[in-house]
Amino acid sequence: QSALTQPASVSGSPGQSITISCTGTSSDVGSYNLVSWYQQFPGKAPKLIIFEVSERPSGVSDRFSGSKSGNTASLTISGLQAEDEARYYCCSPASRSTVVFGGGTTLTVL
Amino acid sequence: QVQLVQSAAEVKKPGSSVKISCKASGGSDIGHSISWVRQAPGQGLEWIGGIIPIFGTTNYAQQFHGRVMFTADDSTSTAYMGLNSLRSEDTALYFCARGPAGEPRSAFDLWGQGTMITVSS
Repeated sequence: QSALTQPASVSGSPGQSITISCTGTSSDVGSYNLVSWYQQFPGKAPKLIIFEVSERPSGVSDRFSGSKSGNTASLTISGLQAEDEARYYCCSPASRSTVVFGGGTTLTVL
Repeated sequence: QVQLVQSAAEVKKPGSSVKISCKASGGSDIGHSISWVRQAPGQGLEWIGGIIPIFGTTNYAQQFHGRVMFTADDSTSTAYMGLNSLRSEDTALYFCARGPAGEPRSAFDLWGQGTMITVSS
């Protein structure tokens, strides 16, 4: 099972919006409305920020939003803040009852 | 507030085995699944597989089949991951992560702090 494809890095200035794409196939992203997104700071465990494509867990800022079209899911962060600088991973169920993660995207707030 | 607390770091020789634990503390954790995810130094997340303790069902990523085994002890709310035939490429930070029992692959809403496994001669 190949990893989902994410850009290695994205950047934006405070207050701007950025979008991170996550491209899979019809066997994973395209087959399930269960894409999730995780935020990870260096040396820390990942934190769930989006589940079921566009749902936010309690306590996660509404500046984070998710969507999906076909085999590609997206995470949008609006009103960028310095504290958003982290690595972001997408995740999806895949065929044969497995799970696949994206390669991760490093967000830099300029 | 439930937390997942993992066992301490391990240093192992190539070819040996390791077993690490993940304990749900601070409350009941009935009705959830536990997945194991690893992260090699400077690399991304890799799903190893999962277990649904109340059903005793397990699921493993193809690349780990035959080398990994998940178990769980309901009486102590602890999940275990055993990995054998260790090689240097297994050096990584291993996380346990909680998901729903109904669809254990849908989202991981709670993570352990990670257990570092170093494989070196």
